Amino acid sequence: QLQLQESGPGLVKPSETLSLTCTVSGGSISSSSYYWGWIRQPPGKGLEWIGSIYYSGSTYYNPSLKSRVTISVDTSKNQFSLKLSSVTAADTAVYYCARHVPDTANFDYWGQGTLVTVSS
Amino acid sequence: QSALTQPPSASGSPGQSVTISCTGTSSDVGGYNYVSWYQQHPGKAPKLMIYEVSKRPSGVPDRFSGSKSGNTASLTVSGLQAEDEADYYCSSYAGSNNVFGTGTKVTVL
Repeated sequence: QLQLQESGPGLVKPSETLSLTCTVSGGSISSSSYYWGWIRQPPGKGLEWIGSIYYSGSTYYNPSLKSRVTISVDTSKNQFSLKLSSVTAADTAVYYCARHVPDTANFDYWGQGTLVTVSS
Repeated sequence: QSALTQPPSASGSPGQSVTISCTGTSSDVGGYNYVSWYQQHPGKAPKLMIYEVSKRPSGVPDRFSGSKSGNTASLTVSGLQAEDEADYYCSSYAGSNNVFGTGTKVTVL
């Protein structure tokens, strides 16, 4: 059974960079059939797709966040990572990683999510 | 790309049906047959319930069905059960972008 697990700091200071890692188990991140994505959800609000990456390193990002987002992949560790720069309180959210069928809105396996709070 | 529009709430009694709409534009919902629906219980990760407008993943009850007409997609839950009480989000592919809906809270009366 495929499992995804987010990890990283739960508190980030304003203007700094948020960094999270998603570890995939029970399957290979190098599968040719899937992208791997990040989605976030501010407390009490809806879901927002951040971006997705293929095992080859090919990425695509939400245009509204593109200037601050970098997603990378480490196939040797079966992990992919998110960096979001210049964070503000508006970036406080639960961050989810998920497996993503390319060119669809199909996110079929999700991590449990991790809350990241932006505060000084 | 703006969020897809969903009604904030919907409700029904056990055994009844409830239908949730998801309105977008010709650049997302209307332009592709790639609309998904997710169920989210409090404090839990979203769960895929419908993909590609009307397909159900393995294990999802056939009480859940999806459809689309023009720029609006719909999710129908038939034979409502207590465990169906949750937030529901639609999502659409939008050409190198993915857009989620505003979310609908379904209450089982």
